[in-house]
Amino acid sequence: AQKVTQAQTEISVVEKEDVTLDCVYETRDTTYYLFWYKQPPSGELVFLIRRNSFDEQNEISGRYSWNFQKSTSSFNFTITASQVVDSAVYFCALSGPISSNTGKLIFGQGTTLQVKP
Amino acid sequence: DAEITQSPRHKITETGRQVTLACHQTWNHNNMFWYRQDLGHGLRLIHYSYGVHDTNKGEVSDGYSVSRSNTEDLPLTLESAASSQTSVYFCATQNSLRTDTQYFGPGTRLTVL
Repeated sequence: AQKVTQAQTEISVVEKEDVTLDCVYETRDTTYYLFWYKQPPSGELVFLIRRNSFDEQNEISGRYSWNFQKSTSSFNFTITASQVVDSAVYFCALSGPISSNTGKLIFGQGTTLQVKP
Repeated sequence: DAEITQSPRHKITETGRQVTLACHQTWNHNNMFWYRQDLGHGLRLIHYSYGVHDTNKGEVSDGYSVSRSNTEDLPLTLESAASSQTSVYFCATQNSLRTDTQYFGPGTRLTVL
């Protein structure tokens, strides 16, 4: 069965600290996609990144970086020099089984990040 | 700019009433999805569609229905609203490939009293 686990329910940091959000996934597929979404207090879901299982290169986008390690089934997200505007709930998601090809996303429970000034 | 809109943004209804939540997209995406978000459950898939006249059940489809008469719209209907359907509902769209990124609408907060 496919599953995404975000073990950190809530994280609180002080502005300018670095913070890493963990994501561990389970899948039997050899080809799959991983995603991160941000849900700010306003409630919308904002797409951050999509990675496929064949691309294990780390990705950096400004203060955001992602570390994909297939060997440990993890896709962790790091925010460098956090800012108050980073306060949000962050969701990790896994594409549904390629065999069933539904296009559905399997979401983790989310990690609430609070960045204090 | 292309966008996804949901209406209403907030709705309060009574148990037993029929409720329809609208989702409209101008991305011209083939695939559309409805999810519900509840504390402790994350987001769960209700229904989805790969194109006009195509609809499929997700993992929590009981008590919900959808219809797809055009590319732009996928309305979600609660046939007889129940308190257990109090939730935040998100519509998402996706281009043709089923591993493409899904983009989400702003959500509808539904309260069933």
